[in-house]
Amino acid sequence: EAGVAQSPRYKIIEKRQSVAFWCNPISGHATLYWYQQILGQGPKLLIQFQNNGVVDDSQLPKDRFSAERLKGVDSTLKIQPAKLEDSAVYLCASSHRLADTNTGELFFGEGSRLTVL
Amino acid sequence: QKEVEQNSGPLSVPEGAIASLNCTYSDRGSQSFFWYRQYSGKSPELIMFIYSNGDKEDGRFTAQLNKASQYVSLLIRDSQPSDSATYLCAVNGNTPLVFGKGTRLSVIA
Repeated sequence: EAGVAQSPRYKIIEKRQSVAFWCNPISGHATLYWYQQILGQGPKLLIQFQNNGVVDDSQLPKDRFSAERLKGVDSTLKIQPAKLEDSAVYLCASSHRLADTNTGELFFGEGSRLTVL
Repeated sequence: QKEVEQNSGPLSVPEGAIASLNCTYSDRGSQSFFWYRQYSGKSPELIMFIYSNGDKEDGRFTAQLNKASQYVSLLIRDSQPSDSATYLCAVNGNTPLVFGKGTRLSVIA
């Protein structure tokens, strides 16, 4: 079974530029998450989707970050304009059901490492 | 703001010893507790979860939960160099997972 796919793996941009990350979850997984992991810290949830609806985006900086999951499968996360503090690994994760958040059975992709200069 | 606290380490143990990793959490309403392992440059992977007070064993791993003290721990017996990684504690209670900063474990051969 294929895992969670993310691209690009690495991206370097200058501040105030824009960037987009793509995620394809495990087939059949209805719940998709975007996490931000800054070096030396644990992952922080940015947004959670159930199918194509948003479950939680309370920690998403909406003035610069946006995310969508139009057909309930793939998702994109966009940052515009980027700031230096956005340098981090952006992890996409999926789970079969929303209830799996209680079992913690999230499957993470390899992540997209963003460096903002 | 729900918080999950871990000692960042590094925690160094000799091969074959028991590694003890600790975690405290602030939200008394937390219901589920998880340990993820993250190798350098890789994504986190779930290794243990625990819901009830007491111990839960899975192979060389034992998770311990004390809800009264808001304390979770992970014991790794017969530590191997391949266990060297960052261990992330995560908790939730009808909300998305909140992760700690992780403890870096180094097992010395």
